[in-house]
Amino acid sequence: GAVVSQHPSWVICKSGTSVKIECRSLDFQATTMFWYRQFPKQSLMLMATSNEGSKATYEQGVEKDKFLINHASLTLSTLTVTSAHPEDSSFYICSASPADYLRGSGANVLTFGAGSRLTVL
Amino acid sequence: DAKTTQPNSMESNEEEPVHLPCNHSTISGTDYIHWYRQLPSQGPEYVIHGLTSNVNNRMASLAIAEDRKSSTLILHRATLRDAAVYYCILRDVGDYKLSFGAGTTVTVRA
Repeated sequence: GAVVSQHPSWVICKSGTSVKIECRSLDFQATTMFWYRQFPKQSLMLMATSNEGSKATYEQGVEKDKFLINHASLTLSTLTVTSAHPEDSSFYICSASPADYLRGSGANVLTFGAGSRLTVL
Repeated sequence: DAKTTQPNSMESNEEEPVHLPCNHSTISGTDYIHWYRQLPSQGPEYVIHGLTSNVNNRMASLAIAEDRKSSTLILHRATLRDAAVYYCILRDVGDYKLSFGAGTTVTVRA
């Protein structure tokens, strides 16, 4: 089945530094990947849609200059949290689908990575 | 987005079946019913999905009401590993934004 890998699984950084999280589709190509954020005891919220070879689409309220997304290849998307602050501490999760998730059938499913827990001190 | 309603929590004993209800009274004719689950400190995991007919796979069964306004996810024999938050989500063609509600937290007692 489809596998999505995230790295690192957890990271601790100092306030003001930048952190990069990688999301890879291991056995399929993904023109689109999705980045979610989950705060403790809350549900997942979509942050942005990562598009291979073009700019990411950010959800309302998500600062694109703070959360930089690069989707340079069909198997890799990266999320960089720039100038991280304690309020950015969260669980970041990426997902992808082998199918055309943006325009395909409602039956298409997403495969999620295991998540990356960011703690900003 | 069509919305779903799930109980906040359910408890089960190990080896017993678990029936997780989901109400979706405003479902459209082209909405698929998807179930994902999230184990502690993990990303969500696809469980099952269906449109009109009941569905079975190695993980669970999905029973869909005839009017499609509700569905039930059935875990036939709960194990400790099934303790997770289960999300019932409706998805139509072109819906890229999975709307994760609060889900149902399933606790399995040994």
